[in-house]
This record gives sequence, structure tokens and C-alpha cells, in this order.
Amino acid sequence: DTEVTQTPKHLVMGMTNKKSLKCEQHMGHRAMYWYKQKAKKPPELMFVYSYEKLSINESVPSRFSPECPNSSLLNLHLHALQPEDSALYLCASSQDASKPHFGPGTRLTVT
Amino acid sequence: RKEVEQDPGPFNVPEGATVAFNCTYSNSASQSFFWYRQDCRKEPKLLMSVYSSGNEDGRFTAQLNRASQYISLLIRDSKLSDSATYLCVVSIYDRGSTLGRLYFGRGTQLTVWP
Repeated sequence: DTEVTQTPKHLVMGMTNKKSLKCEQHMGHRAMYWYKQKAKKPPELMFVYSYEKLSINESVPSRFSPECPNSSLLNLHLHALQPEDSALYLCASSQDASKPHFGPGTRLTVT
Repeated sequence: RKEVEQDPGPFNVPEGATVAFNCTYSNSASQSFFWYRQDCRKEPKLLMSVYSSGNEDGRFTAQLNRASQYISLLIRDSKLSDSATYLCVVSIYDRGSTLGRLYFGRGTQLTVWP
């Protein structure tokens, strides 16, 4: 299994909702990432987990809360988002902190 | 100043053409370099790593010039299926860490027409 899976593929949520994005990889990679990508922009790093511990938080607002339940799973909990948070959220994993493999992403719309 | 600068294009070329993309990076501590390809509304996919000695994968050739902090990608004999956005990516490792932060260029859009 050489892929990263993400659910859901699409998500529409209101500003008062709480939702979660899920990511899974079975490649034994030790590092997992969340990226945010707006249209016609490059991906922007949000969080990095290494060996299930949060290693990098790129000053992301607290309305985004990451969680790594085990070495294969990565969640992103969303609460009280703003319309400007609408974007493609990409999960990625890598073995040696380079060459991340990206999942297909969750396209999020905040209304 | 952005960590990675790329010409956004767009590049519109006929099938069979040779096209080159360039990228510069600002941090001399950058340690790993990659080209990713991203199709419309899809995730980025690794195209190739870039090494100082230069490397080739079929029709694709990547070059790195550390002195000039410059990376290039050459595509020969362009195919329709090469149409995509090409992202230049640079990895910088935090001091004392084995984790790298990846910095993406804004991407160069390529359209290959019949």
C-alpha cells in the first residue's frame, strides 16, 4: 500500500460547526503533515508530526487542532472556522522528512 | 523575500517542444530539492528529486546549481499529458532536527497543445 488516503473528499460546514478531517497511511512513514492550499497558490505547511508527536506548528490558529492517534492516522479537528479557511487541505507522509507523499486532499468550504 | 521563486508562466508549447523551468531559492542552508507536478484540482505528486550532479528520468532532466541557488527542469519532446503545474520544492532542516520544512514555489503552469 503506497498511498495516503483522506476523508472526506469534500466538506461543507458552517462557521459554528465542528468537523474533522482524517488521513491514513500504511507505508510506515514516521512523519505526517497537514498542508493548506488555496486556489492558484502553493501548499502552505500547517503542522508536522514526527513519531506521533507534534514537531512543527506554523503559527496556525487554534480553530485548527491536529491529532495523531497512532503512527498511521492523522486528524485535523475544525471548529469555528471562517469563510477564508475554505481551501484544499492536504495530508502527506514521508519516511525521512523529505519527498512527502500527498493524499488527494479534502476540499473544504466554510459558509 | 520568498524562500522559493518561480516564474508562474503560463508556458504554452506545441507537442514535441522542449521547455525549461527555472527556480531560485534564498536560503543557502537548503538541503534537498524536488520538482512536483500538480494537475488541476489534484494533489501534488513527486516528479523527481534534484541532485547537484544533475539527474535525468526519461524526458525530464533536473539540474541544481548550489552556488547560484538555482534549480531547473527541462522537459524534452513534450506530450499533451505533461500539461500541469510544476512546483519547485526546497527542504530546509531545522538545526539539530531531522525534520525538514518544505517550501514550495508558486508553480509554473504548462499547457502542451496538439
